[in-house]
Amino acid sequence: DSGVTQTPKHLITATGQRVTLRCSPRSGDLSVYWYQQSLDQGLQFLIQYYNGEERAKGNILERFSAQQFPDLHSELNLSSLELGDSALYFCASSVSPGGTGGNSPLHFGNGTRLTVT
Amino acid sequence: SQQGEEDPQALSIQEGENATMNCSYKTSINNLQWYRQNSGRGLVHLILIRSNEREKHSGRLRVTLDTSKKSSSLLITASRAADTASYFCATAANAGGTSYGKLTFGQGTILTVHP
Repeated sequence: DSGVTQTPKHLITATGQRVTLRCSPRSGDLSVYWYQQSLDQGLQFLIQYYNGEERAKGNILERFSAQQFPDLHSELNLSSLELGDSALYFCASSVSPGGTGGNSPLHFGNGTRLTVT
Repeated sequence: SQQGEEDPQALSIQEGENATMNCSYKTSINNLQWYRQNSGRGLVHLILIRSNEREKHSGRLRVTLDTSKKSSSLLITASRAADTASYFCATAANAGGTSYGKLTFGQGTILTVHP
């Protein structure tokens, strides 16, 4: 058990809808990362937060947004969903902000499987 | 685009044999990490090797890093059926001394160990 909790485990929704994925990091970790995993794109880094502040941004679409709350949990909001957004969305946490080279290992949750129909 | 590229894409071996997976990357890195993913589950960190290290061991795992060739290898010795999983390398880029922990993952090697 990594200590990272993601809810819900599965989500089925229709195109055009909006969903929110939730992540609770491991106790003591201040950094939260979001990744998208699909068969064709592999694991894509979306965004990172450290102690409530956005720290790094990857291939995150404008239709997607995220935030980290004072209690350090994070939410990833996906709107105007398209079929191609169907994927596994992972949250990971780590101790460090990554500013010294990202030396801290990431601890991954078990993901939210999003299916857009 | 993916920073790390694993080779082979799939590997099938018998229990007790060694499994070697390779990873190549493109840019200067601060460190390289290997992760394991069981089907449909989250990734699990296996080992981290820094750019100034050449080899690292952890139990049955041995990782090498050749920064001149921009490549790394993961060796699993005396494999077990329970080692069946996907294995990913991930690199933390060295961008002006800071990389914000952004890890870029390769496409992975699917390892199947037959009992």
